[in-house]
Amino acid sequence: EVQLVESGGGLVQPGGSLRLSCAASGFTFSSHWMHWVRQAPGKGLVYVSGINVDGSDTRYADSVKGRFTISRDNAKNTLYLQMNSLRPEDTAVYYCVRVNLAYWYFDLWGRGTLVTVSS
Amino acid sequence: EIVLTQSPGTLSLSPGERATLSCRASQSVTGNYLAWFQQKPGQAPRLLIYGASSRATGIPDRFSGSGSGTDFTLTISRLEPEDFAVYYCQQYGNAPRTFGQGTRVEIK
Repeated sequence: EVQLVESGGGLVQPGGSLRLSCAASGFTFSSHWMHWVRQAPGKGLVYVSGINVDGSDTRYADSVKGRFTISRDNAKNTLYLQMNSLRPEDTAVYYCVRVNLAYWYFDLWGRGTLVTVSS
Repeated sequence: EIVLTQSPGTLSLSPGERATLSCRASQSVTGNYLAWFQQKPGQAPRLLIYGASSRATGIPDRFSGSGSGTDFTLTISRLEPEDFAVYYCQQYGNAPRTFGQGTRVEIK
């Protein structure tokens, strides 16, 4: 089955760190750009970060630049998001998203993992 | 960064009615690379439209997209009960990819 499964979310104190993982299955993970999108409770979708097929090109929203690091392990079919210096405003569901090979739109979403930053 | 502004914020309609949702970009969207997503509570977004007007696989033909440049529209020709949800536009022609703030379609 073609799917993305996020894990690693949880409760963390402000200033803390967390690493999210996204396990891909059912498709050739190493062929696709991958991204992270987040959604604060009751709010809209916000782009976070993206990475190219071999990890040599990464993109970040200004709000997370310098604090978050995206990476991937193609041998393990896994995408990561290392989140440091977390703030209460980082509280959100984090979705892992695949980019369509031919047309570049977001064509596959995971179910998301909830990150709560609170003392 | 391209800012996408969706209107209206909330649309109150009855089943069977036509819904027209707008998405306006702060600058021209490269290649008209504009997508529409539907999201229901507790679920991940679902792709409806890509390339401004192409329906994704399995999407009913009551959903249609149009527009180019800076003005885009999602039309639902006749609302079914399962269509009441939040809809987001997203541009993917320019980095960073950005989303509109969403339009809620609610039952009147």
